[in-house]
Amino acid sequence: NAGVTQTPKFQVLKTGQSMTLQCAQDMNHEYMSWYRQDPGMGLRLIHYSVGAGITDQGEVPNGYNVSRSTTEDFPLRLLSAAPSQTSVYFCASSYSIPSGEVGTQYFGPGTRLLVL
Amino acid sequence: EDQVTQSPEALRLQEGESSSLNCSYTVSGLRGLFWYRQDPGKGPEFLFTLYSAGEEKEKERLKATLTKKESFLHITAPKPEDSATYLCAVHAPDGLTFGKGTHLIIQP
Repeated sequence: NAGVTQTPKFQVLKTGQSMTLQCAQDMNHEYMSWYRQDPGMGLRLIHYSVGAGITDQGEVPNGYNVSRSTTEDFPLRLLSAAPSQTSVYFCASSYSIPSGEVGTQYFGPGTRLLVL
Repeated sequence: EDQVTQSPEALRLQEGESSSLNCSYTVSGLRGLFWYRQDPGKGPEFLFTLYSAGEEKEKERLKATLTKKESFLHITAPKPEDSATYLCAVHAPDGLTFGKGTHLIIQP
């Protein structure tokens, strides 16, 4: 198993440009999520999905869109990049247990984004 | 609002010098406390999940314990390869709430 994969590894954008960060997992996990990690702030949840066709907002969703058309893929879209979105982005996935709670989350290697 | 506070922010130890990292939390109904290790430039790597007070888990030189208000990550006789940032997180309704981490350096 490749686990959770993310592309690209590094990206430079100009303010106002759009892009999509890709995330895929091969563990058949129902739950997938996106976090951003900033110095001194820790990891913060952007968006999450509990299954194909279902998405919801996390703590810091503004400026980002997501969709979940398949179990495997969960792309994150930046509609109009801003310098404040300079960060490291991590995708994570986990199984969901019957009670509806989320199991242990496994993280991808991250995408480093610089917005000029 | 769920909160997770880790201390110290940074810790420098000599090889073989045992110590503990602290994670204090406030959450309404704990449904899981997680420890992760993060190496520079990489994603968090799962270490342990604890669900109830009194629970303990071990892996090599690491042992995680849980009380009703905090968790400790004990590191026994650490080696330089244990140098990393250790993250604590609690299960929240929509995802995980993370602390800011403890940056651990083990000097040979």
